[in-house]
Amino acid sequence: GEDVEQSLFLSVREGDSSVINCTYTDSSSTYLYWYKQEPGAGLQLLTYIFSNMDMKQDQRLTVLLNKKDKHLSLRIADTQTGDSAIYFCAEKGGADGLTFGKGTHLIIQP
Amino acid sequence: EPEVTQTPSHQVTQMGQEVILRCVPISNHLYFYWYRQILGQKVEFLVSFYNNEISEKSEIFDDQFSVERPDGSNFTLKIRSTKLEDSAMYFCASSLDRVGEQYFGPGTRLTVT
Repeated sequence: GEDVEQSLFLSVREGDSSVINCTYTDSSSTYLYWYKQEPGAGLQLLTYIFSNMDMKQDQRLTVLLNKKDKHLSLRIADTQTGDSAIYFCAEKGGADGLTFGKGTHLIIQP
Repeated sequence: EPEVTQTPSHQVTQMGQEVILRCVPISNHLYFYWYRQILGQKVEFLVSFYNNEISEKSEIFDDQFSVERPDGSNFTLKIRSTKLEDSAMYFCASSLDRVGEQYFGPGTRLTVT
């Protein structure tokens, strides 16, 4: 079946940039998503990119897509303590449901 | 801003009991979904629902699960006879159409004892 992989933890200093990486296997992916989950909360849609794009920028967030390598990244500029959360990569192919990664815990050091 | 809501936030039930998890999708959305996340594991797709019927279901969604849209606003997931391994966070989501962004609710934590 389709698979999405992410590293489990990322630790960055406050004010630095965070780069969260994701790889996926579905070559028919149409959309790729980043969701954020804060403790006790649901999955908040942060941003998404269509598979025919290679970059999308939205304020502090930059999404890069390398379709050839099936690699997606989320860059958060000027990381703040409020960015501390679990970040999930998800892809949508031909099926209705999204395929999620296990999530990357972003830890902010003061 | 419109959002997906879910009730209850936490449900504790005994093995073998039936549970109904409730969701109110975003009002103009047409596609509805249920996902689950067992502790420490990935968020997994269970089922999608469109036009009052199941659109797709995963192999997890067996005969003990059912979904319903009993009225114009609610969308429910019923687990007929709960097992210990059904303990998980259950997320409801909705989207405007089949390819649109899916917006998730806050989840219901189901604990089966």
